[in-house]
Amino acid sequence: DGGITQSPKYLFRKEGQNVTLSCEQNLNHDAMYWYRQDPGQGLRLIYYSQIVNDFQKGDIAEGYSVSREKKESFPLTVTSAQKNPTAFYLCASSMGVLDSTGEAFFGQGTRLTVV
Amino acid sequence: GENVEQHPSTLSVQEGDSAVIKCTYSDSASNYFPWYKQELGKRPQLIIDIRSNVGEKKDQRIAVTLNKTAKHFSLHITETQPEDSAVYFCALGGYGQNFVFGPGTRLSVLP
Repeated sequence: DGGITQSPKYLFRKEGQNVTLSCEQNLNHDAMYWYRQDPGQGLRLIYYSQIVNDFQKGDIAEGYSVSREKKESFPLTVTSAQKNPTAFYLCASSMGVLDSTGEAFFGQGTRLTVV
Repeated sequence: GENVEQHPSTLSVQEGDSAVIKCTYSDSASNYFPWYKQELGKRPQLIIDIRSNVGEKKDQRIAVTLNKTAKHFSLHITETQPEDSAVYFCALGGYGQNFVFGPGTRLSVLP
């Protein structure tokens, strides 16, 4: 069953701790994205990766880090430097920036709450 | 980078009426124009898309129109139903560029 999977669905973090959100896809997509969504708001791009071992900052990268060691995986780390991390995080993938004319598939999201 | 404006930000219609959401953009290199629907607490899902060589596309009660000259495209939902209530995002794509999403429109269909 092909798709994009995020885990966990819900995550609680204490202030001052780093936490890593998982995103895995088996669609053979080159491009992967991380978005942050606050209540009632749109999608804000955190980081994106067009190919393995390469990634670029989006509009709100401060306090976040990513890696792309494998084509199918694009984990996001929310560091203690992120001042207001409580949000809904969405991972997405698509064929690639050289062909961003195909559907972007989203994971089911991770709801992160700082306690 | 590319900017996408989406209007209105909120829209309320009576069940059975039509709803129209419009997006405008500036980058003429964009050639792929999808629309996503996001229900509360769920992931956005593609509902319809159009490519630059087509002016209109329809799928049952949903249609998208594209005016490349004027750089805008619109989502049309006819005979709206309560299950159409959601947030709708337009997006842009094209060779050599990332997807760019609009800010979203919250549609409420009133019974």
